[in-house]
Amino acid sequence: EDKVVQSPLSLVVHEGDTVTLNCSYEVTNFRSLLWYKQEKKAPTFLFMLTSSGIEKKSGRLSSILDKKELFSILNITATQTGDSAVYLCAVIYTGTASKLTFGTGTRLQVTL
Amino acid sequence: NAGVTQTPKFQVLKTGQSMTLQCAQDMNHNSMYWYRQDPGMGLRLIYYSASEGTTDKGEVPNGYNVSRLNKREFSLRLESAAPSQTSVYFCASSEAGVRVNQPQHFGDGTRLSIL
Repeated sequence: EDKVVQSPLSLVVHEGDTVTLNCSYEVTNFRSLLWYKQEKKAPTFLFMLTSSGIEKKSGRLSSILDKKELFSILNITATQTGDSAVYLCAVIYTGTASKLTFGTGTRLQVTL
Repeated sequence: NAGVTQTPKFQVLKTGQSMTLQCAQDMNHNSMYWYRQDPGMGLRLIYYSASEGTTDKGEVPNGYNVSRLNKREFSLRLESAAPSQTSVYFCASSEAGVRVNQPQHFGDGTRLSIL
């Protein structure tokens, strides 16, 4: 059975801290891993990782994939209150429509 | 830029009633998807449409039907609503194909309560 597991389930940090969110997966016919940020409404796309060992960066956020060990991490440096959200990891696997299997998410709260 | 538009945003139904959730995208995407999101369960795929004219079951299709009306629109129908279908429903679309890796883009969701 395809499985995506995220940890921790929730996290509270102070503004300025650095956080690392984890995502491990067991998926047949893996193609890519995606990270989304979900605030109140729609999940918004952050990164897609296909190749192992290549870091993707966007401002204070970065992510890397390890296809040998079947996991990815999402790092957020110098956190701000606007980073408070649920971060979702999803894996895309071979199929007619590149279906996604999602983890349950990590809820991040950044306090002043 | 509208992206993916879902209607309605909120709905309350009584058990046994039927309703259709509407979704439209203006990005000329081939593939469209319906998910439900429940606390502690993450997003689960209900149905998807790889291209206009095709639909397939996802992880949790029971109690739902879909119609890919044209390339832009993909609707989700509850024929006889049950309290277990209380959830937030998301529609998504992507420029996906067999050889293409593209992210899915989501609508703002429909919050559905079944009494």
